[in-house]
Amino acid sequence: AQSVTQLGSHVSVSEGALVLLRCNYSSSVPPYLFWYVQYPNQGLQLLLKYTTGATLVKGINGFEAEFKKSETSFHLTKPSAHMSDAAEYFCAVNEGSNYKLTFGKGTLLTVNP
Amino acid sequence: DGGITQSPKYLFRKEGQNVTLSCEQNLNHDAMYWYRQDPGQGLRLIYYSQIVNDFQKGDIAEGYSVSREKKESFPLTVTSAQKNPTAFYLCASSILFRGGYGYTFGSGTRLTVV
Repeated sequence: AQSVTQLGSHVSVSEGALVLLRCNYSSSVPPYLFWYVQYPNQGLQLLLKYTTGATLVKGINGFEAEFKKSETSFHLTKPSAHMSDAAEYFCAVNEGSNYKLTFGKGTLLTVNP
Repeated sequence: DGGITQSPKYLFRKEGQNVTLSCEQNLNHDAMYWYRQDPGQGLRLIYYSQIVNDFQKGDIAEGYSVSREKKESFPLTVTSAQKNPTAFYLCASSILFRGGYGYTFGSGTRLTVV
């Protein structure tokens, strides 16, 4: 069965600092992996996804994530945080033809001036 | 542009009332979902539907009902049996049997009991 663990429900960084949000997954077959972002009182927006091919995936707003099969991880990074990055971030996984996503609990990112 | 429209954005319910949240999509997606979001609890699946006139319970279906009479529409009714309905509700849709596609989300409805 597929599952997702996001380490840290709340991450706080200074503006300009590295952003690292952690996501580990469990899957019995090669997974499809997603990161979504949610701004206050809004829906979730796709940030990036890994399906096949290159393991380093680039997304919107300067974010990227690397699929590491050996570590069953898909951590989200951004070299330099901006105030506008403050939001909640969700990691999600599905397997093969299973179209249903399993979501992590989310990580709230705070960016301090 | 294609997308999902949820309405209203804010909804207030009196004790004992049923209320219906609207979700419409023009993406030609087969599957639709309803999630409830509470602070610190992530997304919890209420109901989902793969095809017209068919739907399945999710993890927290008690006190909720849905219908799927049209492919484009998947309204959620919060009944008086739902004891703590104050939450943010999200509707989503996806293509069936395409694992790498992901979901498209609406902008949400915030329901408050007054």
